[in-house]
Amino acid sequence: KNEVEQSPQNLTAQEGEFITINCSYSVGISALHWLQQHPGGGIVSLFMLSSGKKKHGRLIATINIQEKHSSLHITASHPRDSAVYICAAQKNSGGSNYKLTFGKGTLLTVNP
Amino acid sequence: GAGVSQSPRYKVAKRGQDVALRCDPISGHVSLFWYQQALGQGPEFLTYFQNEAQLDKSGLPSDRFFAERPEGSVSTLKIQRTQQEDSAVYLCASKPLPQETQYFGPGTRLLVL
Repeated sequence: KNEVEQSPQNLTAQEGEFITINCSYSVGISALHWLQQHPGGGIVSLFMLSSGKKKHGRLIATINIQEKHSSLHITASHPRDSAVYICAAQKNSGGSNYKLTFGKGTLLTVNP
Repeated sequence: GAGVSQSPRYKVAKRGQDVALRCDPISGHVSLFWYQQALGQGPEFLTYFQNEAQLDKSGLPSDRFFAERPEGSVSTLKIQRTQQEDSAVYLCASKPLPQETQYFGPGTRLLVL
Protein backbone atom coordinates (compact mmCIF):
# COMPACT_ATOMS: atom_id res chain seq x y z
CA LYS A 1 0.00 0.00 0.00
CA ASN A 2 1.33 3.45 -0.91
CA GLU A 3 2.08 5.80 1.94
CA VAL A 4 -0.02 8.50 0.25
CA GLU A 5 -3.28 7.59 -1.44
CA GLN A 6 -5.48 9.96 -3.41
CA SER A 7 -9.04 9.63 -4.61
CA PRO A 8 -10.51 9.80 -7.08
CA GLN A 9 -7.87 9.12 -9.73
CA ASN A 10 -9.93 10.91 -12.35
CA LEU A 11 -12.67 13.47 -11.90
CA THR A 12 -14.83 15.17 -14.50
CA ALA A 13 -17.03 18.08 -13.53
CA GLN A 14 -19.19 20.73 -15.11
CA GLU A 15 -18.21 24.35 -14.78
CA GLY A 16 -19.49 25.79 -11.52
CA GLU A 17 -19.51 22.53 -9.58
CA PHE A 18 -17.95 22.10 -6.14
CA ILE A 19 -14.96 19.76 -6.32
CA THR A 20 -13.44 17.61 -3.57
CA ILE A 21 -10.22 15.63 -3.88
CA ASN A 22 -9.18 13.40 -1.00
CA CYS A 23 -5.80 12.36 0.33
CA SER A 24 -5.00 9.76 2.99
CA TYR A 25 -1.55 9.10 4.35
CA SER A 26 -0.12 6.46 6.61
CA VAL A 27 3.01 8.16 7.96
CA GLY A 28 3.64 10.77 10.59
CA ILE A 29 3.96 14.14 8.94
CA SER A 30 5.25 17.59 9.68
CA ALA A 31 3.23 19.06 6.79
CA LEU A 32 0.91 18.08 3.97
CA HIS A 33 1.28 19.71 0.55
CA TRP A 34 -1.20 20.18 -2.26
CA LEU A 35 0.30 20.79 -5.69
CA GLN A 36 -1.13 21.53 -9.12
CA GLN A 37 0.44 20.19 -12.31
CA HIS A 38 -0.62 21.38 -15.74
CA PRO A 39 0.08 19.44 -18.96
CA GLY A 40 3.71 19.99 -19.88
CA GLY A 41 4.99 19.26 -16.40
CA GLY A 42 5.11 22.50 -14.41
CA ILE A 43 4.19 22.02 -10.76
CA VAL A 44 2.86 24.81 -8.60
CA SER A 45 2.56 24.58 -4.86
CA LEU A 46 -0.99 25.42 -3.72
CA PHE A 47 -0.93 24.78 0.01
CA MET A 48 1.36 23.61 2.76
CA LEU A 49 -0.54 22.85 5.93
CA SER A 50 0.02 21.07 9.20
CA SER A 51 -3.34 21.64 10.87
CA GLY A 52 -6.80 23.02 10.30
CA LYS A 53 -7.73 24.74 7.12
CA LYS A 54 -6.28 27.16 4.57
CA LYS A 55 -8.05 29.14 1.87
CA HIS A 56 -6.76 30.87 -1.22
CA GLY A 57 -9.32 32.28 -3.60
CA ARG A 58 -11.62 29.44 -4.65
CA LEU A 59 -9.35 26.78 -3.21
CA ILE A 60 -9.66 25.39 0.30
CA ALA A 61 -7.46 22.76 1.91
CA THR A 62 -8.28 20.97 5.14
CA ILE A 63 -6.43 18.43 7.19
CA ASN A 64 -7.43 16.07 10.02
CA ILE A 65 -4.23 14.97 11.72
CA GLN A 66 -5.90 12.32 13.88
CA GLU A 67 -7.51 10.66 10.88
CA LYS A 68 -4.48 11.25 8.62
CA HIS A 69 -6.68 12.71 5.95
CA SER A 70 -6.71 15.88 3.91
CA SER A 71 -9.09 17.31 1.34
CA LEU A 72 -8.73 19.89 -1.39
CA HIS A 73 -11.90 21.70 -2.35
CA ILE A 74 -12.51 23.91 -5.37
CA THR A 75 -15.58 26.11 -5.29
CA ALA A 76 -17.26 27.36 -8.49
CA SER A 77 -14.95 25.25 -10.66
CA HIS A 78 -13.79 26.63 -14.01
CA PRO A 79 -12.26 24.96 -17.07
CA ARG A 80 -8.91 26.59 -16.24
CA ASP A 81 -8.88 24.51 -13.04
CA SER A 82 -8.35 21.42 -15.23
CA ALA A 83 -5.03 19.93 -14.14
CA VAL A 84 -3.54 17.13 -12.07
CA TYR A 85 -3.73 17.77 -8.34
CA ILE A 86 -1.11 16.04 -6.24
CA CYS A 87 -0.99 15.48 -2.51
CA ALA A 88 2.42 15.09 -0.88
CA ALA A 89 3.33 14.17 2.69
CA GLN A 90 6.36 15.73 4.34
CA LYS A 91 7.42 13.16 6.88
CA ASN A 92 8.42 14.12 10.39
CA SER A 93 11.00 11.35 10.62
CA GLY A 94 13.92 13.11 12.28
CA GLY A 95 16.76 13.84 9.89
CA SER A 96 14.81 13.28 6.67
CA ASN A 97 11.91 15.60 7.34
CA TYR A 98 12.66 17.48 4.12
CA LYS A 99 11.54 14.54 1.99
CA LEU A 100 8.17 14.57 0.21
CA THR A 101 6.23 11.42 -0.58
CA PHE A 102 3.75 12.03 -3.37
CA GLY A 103 0.39 10.56 -4.25
CA LYS A 104 -0.25 9.55 -7.83
CA GLY A 105 -2.39 12.58 -8.49
CA THR A 106 -6.00 13.27 -9.43
CA LEU A 107 -6.71 14.31 -12.99
CA LEU A 108 -9.45 16.95 -12.90
CA THR A 109 -11.28 17.95 -16.05
CA VAL A 110 -13.79 20.78 -15.82
CA ASN A 111 -16.04 21.06 -18.86
CA PRO A 112 -17.65 24.36 -19.89
CA GLY B 1 11.64 37.28 -10.07
CA ALA B 2 12.94 34.32 -12.02
CA GLY B 3 11.73 30.91 -11.02
CA VAL B 4 13.50 27.56 -11.16
CA SER B 5 14.67 26.81 -14.68
CA GLN B 6 15.72 23.52 -16.20
CA SER B 7 17.43 22.62 -19.43
CA PRO B 8 16.99 21.05 -21.80
CA ARG B 9 13.21 20.86 -21.66
CA TYR B 10 13.19 17.80 -23.87
CA LYS B 11 15.90 15.27 -24.50
CA VAL B 12 15.85 12.22 -26.75
CA ALA B 13 18.70 9.83 -26.14
CA LYS B 14 19.70 6.55 -27.66
CA ARG B 15 20.01 3.66 -25.25
CA GLY B 16 23.52 3.64 -23.82
CA GLN B 17 24.08 7.36 -24.28
CA ASP B 18 25.05 9.60 -21.35
CA VAL B 19 22.85 12.63 -20.59
CA ALA B 20 23.23 15.68 -18.36
CA LEU B 21 20.24 17.62 -17.07
CA ARG B 22 20.69 21.09 -15.62
CA CYS B 23 18.79 22.89 -12.90
CA ASP B 24 19.10 26.60 -12.07
CA PRO B 25 17.37 27.15 -8.72
CA ILE B 26 16.01 30.42 -7.47
CA SER B 27 18.91 32.60 -6.35
CA GLY B 28 19.66 32.21 -2.68
CA HIS B 29 17.72 28.99 -2.22
CA VAL B 30 19.67 26.68 0.04
CA SER B 31 17.82 23.44 -0.60
CA LEU B 32 17.62 21.69 -3.97
CA PHE B 33 15.79 18.51 -4.84
CA TRP B 34 15.66 16.22 -7.87
CA TYR B 35 12.61 14.08 -8.58
CA GLN B 36 11.73 11.51 -11.23
CA GLN B 37 8.18 11.36 -12.53
CA ALA B 38 7.10 8.43 -14.66
CA LEU B 39 4.10 8.78 -16.93
CA GLY B 40 0.87 8.81 -14.94
CA GLN B 41 2.63 8.71 -11.60
CA GLY B 42 3.49 11.19 -8.90
CA PRO B 43 7.07 12.43 -8.58
CA GLU B 44 9.54 10.29 -6.68
CA PHE B 45 12.44 11.65 -4.66
CA LEU B 46 15.91 11.16 -6.11
CA THR B 47 18.32 13.33 -4.16
CA TYR B 48 18.63 16.39 -1.90
CA PHE B 49 21.28 19.09 -1.58
CA GLN B 50 21.77 21.66 1.11
CA ASN B 51 24.07 24.23 -0.48
CA GLU B 52 26.81 22.15 -2.12
CA ALA B 53 26.42 19.17 0.18
CA GLN B 54 24.48 16.19 -1.10
CA LEU B 55 22.77 15.12 2.11
CA ASP B 56 20.57 12.39 0.71
CA LYS B 57 20.93 10.35 -2.45
CA SER B 58 18.83 7.42 -1.31
CA GLY B 59 16.36 7.78 -4.17
CA LEU B 60 18.85 7.46 -7.00
CA PRO B 61 17.78 4.26 -8.77
CA SER B 62 21.25 2.99 -9.64
CA ASP B 63 24.90 3.94 -9.75
CA ARG B 64 24.30 5.19 -13.29
CA PHE B 65 22.68 8.25 -11.73
CA PHE B 66 24.87 10.99 -10.35
CA ALA B 67 24.04 14.49 -9.16
CA GLU B 68 26.23 17.42 -8.19
CA ARG B 69 25.92 21.01 -7.07
CA PRO B 70 29.56 22.08 -6.78
CA GLU B 71 29.07 25.77 -5.94
CA GLY B 72 25.79 25.50 -4.11
CA SER B 73 23.68 26.96 -6.90
CA VAL B 74 23.34 25.23 -10.28
CA SER B 75 22.89 21.47 -10.14
CA THR B 76 23.40 18.78 -12.74
CA LEU B 77 21.84 15.34 -12.82
CA LYS B 78 23.83 12.95 -14.95
CA ILE B 79 22.61 9.62 -16.18
CA GLN B 80 25.19 7.29 -17.66
CA ARG B 81 24.43 4.52 -20.15
CA THR B 82 20.76 5.43 -20.33
CA GLN B 83 18.17 2.67 -20.40
CA GLN B 84 14.60 2.76 -21.65
CA GLU B 85 13.30 2.64 -18.08
CA ASP B 86 15.01 5.98 -17.45
CA SER B 87 12.41 7.66 -19.67
CA ALA B 88 10.56 10.07 -17.41
CA VAL B 89 10.20 13.73 -16.50
CA TYR B 90 13.00 14.89 -14.22
CA LEU B 91 11.92 17.69 -11.93
CA CYS B 92 14.08 20.03 -9.93
CA ALA B 93 12.80 22.04 -6.98
CA SER B 94 14.37 24.51 -4.60
CA LYS B 95 13.43 26.25 -1.38
CA PRO B 96 15.00 28.96 0.76
CA LEU B 97 14.50 27.52 4.24
CA PRO B 98 13.57 24.11 5.65
CA GLN B 99 10.08 25.14 6.68
CA GLU B 100 9.22 26.77 3.37
CA THR B 101 7.42 25.21 0.45
CA GLN B 102 9.28 23.99 -2.62
CA TYR B 103 9.38 25.82 -5.95
CA PHE B 104 9.42 23.48 -8.93
CA GLY B 105 11.02 23.88 -12.30
CA PRO B 106 9.23 22.95 -15.55
CA GLY B 107 11.02 19.61 -15.77
CA THR B 108 13.10 17.88 -18.41
CA ARG B 109 11.25 15.22 -20.37
CA LEU B 110 13.73 12.44 -21.19
CA LEU B 111 12.93 9.82 -23.78
CA VAL B 112 15.36 6.95 -24.21
CA LEU B 113 14.95 5.01 -27.44
